[in-house]
Amino acid sequence: EPEVTQTPSHQVTQMGQEVILRCVPISNHLYFYWYRQILGQKVEFLVSFYNNEISEKSEIFDDQFSVERPDGSNFTLKIRSTKLEDSAMYFCASSFTAGDYFFGPGTRLTVL
Amino acid sequence: GDSVTQMEGPVTLSEEAFLTINCTYTATGYPSLFWYVQYPGEGLQLLLKATKADDKGSNKGFEATYRKETTSFHLEKGSVQVSDSAVYFCALTNSGGSNYKLTFGKGTLLTVNP
Repeated sequence: EPEVTQTPSHQVTQMGQEVILRCVPISNHLYFYWYRQILGQKVEFLVSFYNNEISEKSEIFDDQFSVERPDGSNFTLKIRSTKLEDSAMYFCASSFTAGDYFFGPGTRLTVL
Repeated sequence: GDSVTQMEGPVTLSEEAFLTINCTYTATGYPSLFWYVQYPGEGLQLLLKATKADDKGSNKGFEATYRKETTSFHLEKGSVQVSDSAVYFCALTNSGGSNYKLTFGKGTLLTVNP
């Protein structure tokens, strides 16, 4: 069964450093998403991506965040200058049709 | 905006007990409703879904019915197992211009004891 994969599974970084979280969505999917879950809290929408551009972003997704689909298979989330409060589990998801989500296993980001 | 409210946890049950996790929503238009499960140390897995009023989603013995009149989508299981211990998230997507992003509830931790 096809699945969404994410790397790394765990990333530890120093405050102020840049991180790139990588996702490989399911190959024929058209919609791509990033969500995050701060420990013990609810899962929050960050950004959606369709047709090679951002289609919607939340208030959390400020200028420190960016997304790219550089080569038609990978989908990356970059945080330019990490803050302590960026520590969370980051989930990538993809879908072919609206609402038919497949989530990746997540990347746990720890900012020290 | 859209929102999902689900019962606060944690919920602790004995094996074979009946489970209900309440979920209500606020949304414009005609949302689709979902239950996701997160097992310890793992990502989010779709448990079941319903896309229109009166639909019943079911999977692995879990059921939830889309009730438009009460804006609810309560999760039920007749006899829980230890392996059902996980965090359960109620969620919705709304086709009304939101690009189908998922809006989640806060999650309910279920612990089933043998």
